[in-house]
Amino acid sequence: DAMVIQNPRYQVTQFGKPVTLSCSQTLNHNVMYWYQQKSSQAPKLLFHYYDKDFNNEADTPDNFQSRRPNTSFCFLDIRSPGLGDAAMYLCATSNSLATYEQYFGPGTRLTVT
Amino acid sequence: LAKTTQPISMDSYEGQEVNITCSHNNIATNDYITWYQQFPSQGPRFIIQGYKTKVTNEVASLFIPADRKSSTLSLPRVSLSDTAVYYCLVGALFSGGYNKLIFGAGTRLAVHP
Repeated sequence: DAMVIQNPRYQVTQFGKPVTLSCSQTLNHNVMYWYQQKSSQAPKLLFHYYDKDFNNEADTPDNFQSRRPNTSFCFLDIRSPGLGDAAMYLCATSNSLATYEQYFGPGTRLTVT
Repeated sequence: LAKTTQPISMDSYEGQEVNITCSHNNIATNDYITWYQQFPSQGPRFIIQGYKTKVTNEVASLFIPADRKSSTLSLPRVSLSDTAVYYCLVGALFSGGYNKLIFGAGTRLAVHP
């Protein structure tokens, strides 16, 4: 009964080759988030969707984009991955923006070669 | 969001009670205290949230003194599976507002046999 599912769990891409990570949820939550977590660091918010409204964090590089075609799915696109983009990418959901209780997926570990 | 300070790491042994203290000297009146747990190679998991005094659930207890300038997450009788990073977050909860998770460095708890 997985609630937030991320595929794949591990992704290897080449320097500069576009890559897409996916997230799906069975919670029917309005809000979906993407975080980046580098090794031994805390998760850092990249952006979030409230329904179809997209909200980018001010310091998120343009290289990172997101799509949310419907309530259940959200995608993270990295247009030209650099070596510094190697990280764990975490998807999370919440039923409201006015809550600190988010449900995280297991993450996708991205390696850039 | 109020700045938080936690120990970088802690060690414990199976069966012991573990108390992780978080300092938040400039906590505001509307701020709540939230704790997350992150196991290796997994997404963070919401553990507990409180405003004052004591909150207890099936996972942990949260003790908040009257001045609210600190809080203590208490894990009863830890096991090896409690080895994780524990994050303390402090922020206001506004109904209808946007409450963003900003993770600090967290406390890396290692439980030994």
